[in-house]
Order: sequence, then structure tokens, then C-alpha cells
Amino acid sequence: AQSVTQLDSHVSVSEGTPVLLRCNYSSSYSPSLFWYVQHPNKGLQLLLKYTSAATLVKGINGFEAEFKKSETSFHLTKPSAHMSDAAEYFCVVGQPNTGTASKLTFGTGTRLQVTL
Amino acid sequence: NAGVTQTPKFRVLKTGQSMTLLCAQDMNHEYMYWYRQDPGMGLRLIHYSVGEGTTAKGEVPDGYNVSRLKKQNFLLGLESAAPSQTSVYFCASSRTGTSGYNEQFFGPGTRLTVL
Repeated sequence: AQSVTQLDSHVSVSEGTPVLLRCNYSSSYSPSLFWYVQHPNKGLQLLLKYTSAATLVKGINGFEAEFKKSETSFHLTKPSAHMSDAAEYFCVVGQPNTGTASKLTFGTGTRLQVTL
Repeated sequence: NAGVTQTPKFRVLKTGQSMTLLCAQDMNHEYMYWYRQDPGMGLRLIHYSVGEGTTAKGEVPDGYNVSRLKKQNFLLGLESAAPSQTSVYFCASSRTGTSGYNEQFFGPGTRLTVL
């Protein structure tokens, strides 16, 4: 079984300040972890994914996430927010190498607001 | 390379009407998925397919049927629409799951309202 908890449903930051979106997961397997972003009225776009090669994962648009097994966390960060970062962010856990479909379990999302 | 496309983008139905949502992908992916997205609930898997001619139930399959007659297409049907099926529907695709950490690629979504 697997689950994912996004600790904040809404985060507001000022442009130019750091972003931290928190995610905790639970998985019976060695997990695959993803962050997706969804801009208003758009589909989901992959930001980054953890594939066990490195615990610090770099993604697109300056985002990165650190896999911490001891804390079962996969928090998303960015050093400096931009207005275009305003969107909904989903933390996702998947089941790798199970011989079946790569089923994903989605968190409930964190809405990031960026203010001037 | 269009990726994953969905038809239609918007639809309004009356209770009891039927409709089919079409998903197409041009990435030669084996796996395809249908999700629904409701406020505060993230995405929930309705049905999925691991290859042409095969389908399986996901987390919330009741009231929906699917077909995968061609590898590139995955259809989602509502035989008798209900207001509880008002949602945004997303299709996704991925490579075979056995190779590990395969991300899913999503379409732009279909916004369905059932009155």
C-alpha cells in the first residue's frame, strides 16, 4: 500500500523569496516519487522525479526536491519564486517494478500563490 | 509530436445521457490511464490499460467503461451520466511499468458537467 500527504493545501510567498512545499509519503516498496505542476485550466506537467540514483533531484524551472528516507519526505523547494510559479503542485508516489501498470497515488495538492 | 490529446475539452450533459471521451497518444506508450480530478481530492484512477485489448479497474470505476481497441487510443464511456460524475477528466500514458520509474504524461483534460 502507498499513500502521500501534502502538508499544506495553500502556500503564499512573495516574488523572489524561497518556496517550500512539503510532502510525506508511505510505501511498502522502495518508492518512485514525482512532483507535478498544474497551471490553471491545464493538464499536469512533470517537474521532477526520484529514481533512486540521487537523493537530491533537480527539475525544471529551478525546482528541486530531496528524498529523505529516514523522514519519509520529499519536499519541493525553489530558491527564488517567480510570478509564473503560481499553480497547483502535486506530490505523487508510484510503485516501480511491480510487473503491473505504474500506478500512481496523488496527494491532494498545494496551491502556490506568488505575490508582488 | 502532440503527446496526449483529449476530445472534447468541455461537455455538458443531462442526467441519464451517455457520452464517450477520447484519448489519443502518439508516443507509442503501452500503458494508458483515465483519472478524475475533484476539488481537494487530487487525481483518482478510474480505469487503466496495460496494452491494446486489455483494461482494468482503478480506484473509482463504477459508472464508467473503457475500451482500448488501438494502442494509441483509450476511450472512456459514461452510459448513464449522473451529477456525481461532474468532474475534470484526465487521460495519461506511460511506457511499460516493468522498467521502473516511468512518469506518466497527461492530456489537457476534459471538463464535464452533468446537470
